Amino acid sequence: EVQLVESGGGLVQPGGSLRLSCAASGFTFSSYSMNWVRQAPGKGLEWVSYIGWITTTIYYADSVKGRFTISRDNAKNSLYLQMNDLRVEDRAVYYCARDVNYAFDFWGQGTMVTVSS
Amino acid sequence: QSALTQPPSASGSPGQSVTISCAGTSSDVGAYNYVSWYQQHPGKAPKLMIYEVIKRPSGVPDRFSGSKSGNTASLTVSGLQAEDEADYYCSSYAGSNNPWVFGGGTKLTVL
Repeated sequence: EVQLVESGGGLVQPGGSLRLSCAASGFTFSSYSMNWVRQAPGKGLEWVSYIGWITTTIYYADSVKGRFTISRDNAKNSLYLQMNDLRVEDRAVYYCARDVNYAFDFWGQGTMVTVSS
Repeated sequence: QSALTQPPSASGSPGQSVTISCAGTSSDVGAYNYVSWYQQHPGKAPKLMIYEVIKRPSGVPDRFSGSKSGNTASLTVSGLQAEDEADYYCSSYAGSNNPWVFGGGTKLTVL
C-alpha cells in the first residue's frame, strides 16, 4: 500500500524557517518524481515544487522561488522541503504527492504550517 | 486568482449527471493532454479521479469521466450519489516554466 506521511509543520514567525519531511513507503520511491502542493485554509490547491526521480530536474512556483528548496534522499525514501524567509501568505496545509503521467496519484495527509507573530 | 477557471459551485439530484468545466489557455489545457481532476472531501487529502484528460485510475467508478475541447476541460459525474458531494479541482501541466496549474475548485452538492 502506498503511503506518504508528512511531518515538520508548526508555528513559525515571519522570516523564520521550517523543514518539512515526507516519508514514503509501499512503492519504489527512487523511481518516482515527487511534488509539494499546498492549500491555504479555506482556499484551493497550489502547486509548490517538483523534483524528478533523478534530482537534476527541479521546479518551483514563482511564489516560493528563492525561498524554498526541495530535496530527496532515495536511500531514506524521504522527500523534503526547506522553507526559509516564511511569510504570512505561506500559511497552509502542505501535502507531498507522487507524480505519475503529469498527475498527482497519491497524496499524504498533509502537515500544517502557520506563519504568525 | 487561479490559473484555471472553474465554477465555484455545481449541484444535482441523486441519479442525475453534472458537468464541471475547467477553462484554461492555449499554454496549459489547450497545449497538453495532461489535465487531471481531484476530489477532496472536507478535512481529507485530494484524490486523483481523472488523469491525461480521460483516464481513470484503478478503483475510480466509471461514473466519473473527463473530456477536453480546445482550452476547456470538463469532468462529468453521472448517476450522482451522496458520497460524490465534495470539492473538485482540475489541474493541467503548463510547461517547464510553471509546470502545474490548478483551478480554484468547484463545490459539488448532491441535493
